[in-house]
Amino acid sequence: DAGVIQSPRHEVTEMGQEVTLRCKPISGHNSLFWYRQTMMRGLELLIYFNNNVPIDDSGMPEDRFSAKMPNASFSTLKIQPSEPRDSAVYFCASSWADTYEQYFGPGTRLTVT
Amino acid sequence: KNQVEQSPQSLIILEGKNCTLQCNYTVSPFSNLRWYKQDTGRGPVSLTIMTFSENTKSNGRYTATLDADTKQSSLHITASQLSDSASYICVVSANYGGSQGNLIFGKGTKLSVKP
Repeated sequence: DAGVIQSPRHEVTEMGQEVTLRCKPISGHNSLFWYRQTMMRGLELLIYFNNNVPIDDSGMPEDRFSAKMPNASFSTLKIQPSEPRDSAVYFCASSWADTYEQYFGPGTRLTVT
Repeated sequence: KNQVEQSPQSLIILEGKNCTLQCNYTVSPFSNLRWYKQDTGRGPVSLTIMTFSENTKSNGRYTATLDADTKQSSLHITASQLSDSASYICVVSANYGGSQGNLIFGKGTKLSVKP
C-alpha cells in the first residue's frame, strides 16, 4: 500500500487566495483526519470523518476553513481566503474506525505571504 | 482544562545511551494514550497506544508506561541509535462515546542522538 497520499507537498500563495489541500487515505480505512502543525501550537486536530461523514469539526479555526470527503478515497481541506497566520504544515491521517492507530501522510507545507 | 505536558522540551544524548521522556496529562474522562515519533519533515508514526487497563507496552527498543492514577506516562528508549533523533509526541484521547476526535496533543520532546 502506498500509505496516505497528500498533495501538493508544498504550497506558496498570497494572502486572500484560495488554497485546496488534497488527501487520499489508505484503502480500506474508514476514518480520515485533518491536522495542522505549527511550532507555536504543535499538532491540532481540525476535523475528522467517519465513513465520509464529518463527525467532529470543532477544531476548524474559522469559517474560512472547510473540508469535504465526497467518497471513501478522497478528501479536501479548503482555505478561502487564506491569511499569513494559516501558514503551517497540514497533515492528513486515516485509520480503521474501530482501532486507534492512525497513519499520517507526509504533510503539505503551506506558506501564505 | 484538558492538557498534556511533556518534558523535557529537548534532550541530547550520546548514541547507545538510554533515555526517558515524560508526559503528564489532565484529561478526563481518559480513553487512551499514544506516543508518536515524528522525524523532521515527515508525518508522525505511531509507537504505542495504551488504554486505561494497560500499564506498559513495548515496541522494539521503545517501552511506554502508564500510571492512570497519577496521570503520568513515560517513553523509555533503550540503546539509542542515531535514527532515534526525532520529536516524540504524547497524545491523550478523552472518551466521549467512542469518538476518536477528542485528542489532546503535547508539544513534543525533541531528541537528538549524537555519535
